[in-house]
Amino acid sequence: DVQLVESGGGVVRPGGSLRLSCAASGFTFGNYGMSWVRQVPGKGLEWVSAINWNSGNLGYADSVKGRFTISRDDGKNSLYLQMNSLRAEDTALYYCARKGAALDYWGQGTLVTVSS
Amino acid sequence: EIVLTQSPGTLSLSPGERATLSCRASQSVTGSYLGWYHQKSGQAPRLLIYGASSRATGIPDRFTGSGSGTDFTLTIARLEPEDFAVYYCQQYGSSPWTFGQGTKVEIK
Repeated sequence: DVQLVESGGGVVRPGGSLRLSCAASGFTFGNYGMSWVRQVPGKGLEWVSAINWNSGNLGYADSVKGRFTISRDDGKNSLYLQMNSLRAEDTALYYCARKGAALDYWGQGTLVTVSS
Repeated sequence: EIVLTQSPGTLSLSPGERATLSCRASQSVTGSYLGWYHQKSGQAPRLLIYGASSRATGIPDRFTGSGSGTDFTLTIARLEPEDFAVYYCQQYGSSPWTFGQGTKVEIK
């Protein structure tokens, strides 16, 4: 079975940094693009970033461009999101998702809280 | 950036009724790369439809996606109790990918 497990969330002060990880299993990780999507509790979904299978194509939402960096390690079957210069408005539940035909598998998310 | 506008915001229906959800794009969605997801409270989203009209693995045939260009529709033929949730459309044809704001399907 496909499994995606996010980790690395927590409480951080404004201006701080955090690195999220997503451990993948149950499929050939290196064959798929991956994505991060976030959701403020009680609100809608916001796409954050995506990376294709060979890291040759990266995409970011305007709201995080220049502050967040997506990367992957196929040897570790892992996806990452390095988040710098964090703001209060980055507070959300962060999901990783597999890019198959669309975002066909999702993890359960890791909560990031940016607060002083 | 392609803005997706979903309507209605809330749909109040009874089990067994038909639901029709709309997703309108501010510009044409490349390659009909349009997906539909539903999300139940406390759970991660689940993919229902990809490519505007193809059902994802394990999705029952009461869910039908249609449309192209800027106008897309998700139809649920007969609502089952587990279908009451929030539904989102998403375009993944042009970066930045974007989601609609969601339609809540609630029990009347």
